[in-house]
Amino acid sequence: QVQLVESGGGLVKPGGSLRLSCAASGFTFSDYYMSWIRQVPGKGLEWVSHISSGGSSIYYADSVKGRFTISRDNAKNSLYLQMNTLRADDTAVYYCARDLYSRYVEYWGQGILVTVSS
Amino acid sequence: QVVLTQSPSASASLGASVKLTCTLSSGHSNYAIAWHQQQPEKGPRFLMHLNSGGSHTKGDGIPDRFSGSSSGAERYLTISSLQSEDEADYYCETWGTGFRVFGGGTKLTVL
Repeated sequence: QVQLVESGGGLVKPGGSLRLSCAASGFTFSDYYMSWIRQVPGKGLEWVSHISSGGSSIYYADSVKGRFTISRDNAKNSLYLQMNTLRADDTAVYYCARDLYSRYVEYWGQGILVTVSS
Repeated sequence: QVVLTQSPSASASLGASVKLTCTLSSGHSNYAIAWHQQQPEKGPRFLMHLNSGGSHTKGDGIPDRFSGSSSGAERYLTISSLQSEDEADYYCETWGTGFRVFGGGTKLTVL
């Protein structure tokens, strides 16, 4: 079955960097668009970024554009999110997600917490 | 930019039915959406894709108790024979070229 397992979260100081990883299994990773979505604890869902199956098409939410970089390694069945110049309002649970084409989330990971605090 | 509006809360009794609404902003009434469920302390789960004509495609293992329908700019999620595990937050999602949008979510309480 489809499994998405995030790693790399934790506590980081404002202005710092963090790289999230997502290990995918149970499907042909290279066939699917993938996304990162985040959720401030107790709040709603916010789309962060998505990437096409081959990595050539990438989009970001305005709130992270210029600071975050999404990438993938199809040989390793892995999705990444490099987060730079982190701010307190980036504190959230980050979910890795498999998309149906570039449309909507079809499968979610369990999420990983990123806390930006001094 | 398209905006999705959901009521913050809803409630219904065990065994009853409830209809949740997601409203698309003006000019976007033809958009399809997806519904997701998030039980307490868990990650979200995809429930179904729902188009403007009311046709819906459910995710793996989603019970028949969950169904979708559409009318104009409104997209509905109906849950029948409510069970305690249906108490959760429900989000709608839509998309366009280069963007995704989520509604604010509806917290469903099963009485």
